[in-house]
Amino acid sequence: DTEVTQTPKHLVMGMTNKKSLKCEQHMGHRAMYWYKQKAKKPPELMFVYSYEKLSINESVPSRFSPECPNSSLLNLHLHALQPEDSALYLCASSQEIWAGELFFGEGSRLTVL
Amino acid sequence: GESVGLHLPTLSVQEGDNSIINCAYSNSASDYFIWYKQESGKGPQFIIDIRSNMDKRQGQRVTVLLNKTVKHLSLQIAATQPGDSAVYFCAENRSSNDYKLSFGAGTTVTVRA
Repeated sequence: DTEVTQTPKHLVMGMTNKKSLKCEQHMGHRAMYWYKQKAKKPPELMFVYSYEKLSINESVPSRFSPECPNSSLLNLHLHALQPEDSALYLCASSQEIWAGELFFGEGSRLTVL
Repeated sequence: GESVGLHLPTLSVQEGDNSIINCAYSNSASDYFIWYKQESGKGPQFIIDIRSNMDKRQGQRVTVLLNKTVKHLSLQIAATQPGDSAVYFCAENRSSNDYKLSFGAGTTVTVRA
């Protein structure tokens, strides 16, 4: 199994809603990542977890709250988002933090109304 | 500043021709480079990687060339096919305390039938 699975594929939410994005991998990878990607732009790093501990937070606003319940799961909790937060949110994993290839999921397309 | 960039944002190629996608980087400490392909509506997909102790690496229909003297990376795709239409990102990594994968701006490749 060499897949990173993200749910939901599409999400529309209002600025007062609370929602979560989920990511799962069963490759035994110990590093997991959240990236944000705007249209026609490269992915931008948001958070990195290594061995279930938050290693990097790229100065992301607190309305985005990551969580790593176990080594296979990564969540991104969303609250009080702004329309400019609309983007494709990508989850990735790798064997170890920044070691070798990052495996990406298909992404969750988020629209904030 | 330190960044990974691409020479051309778009590339149009005739089906069956070879494609060359270029990327320049500015940090001489970078020692690991990856090419990703991102099709519309999907997450980035690993194509090929190369470490700084090599100057060429070949995969199936793809070749990556690294010129450390001029800090230049290229991806060559042989016999380009319609399925090669996508955005191609180069990414660099650095083995240092401040290491993290940095993506270039991306080149959109369109294959003409």
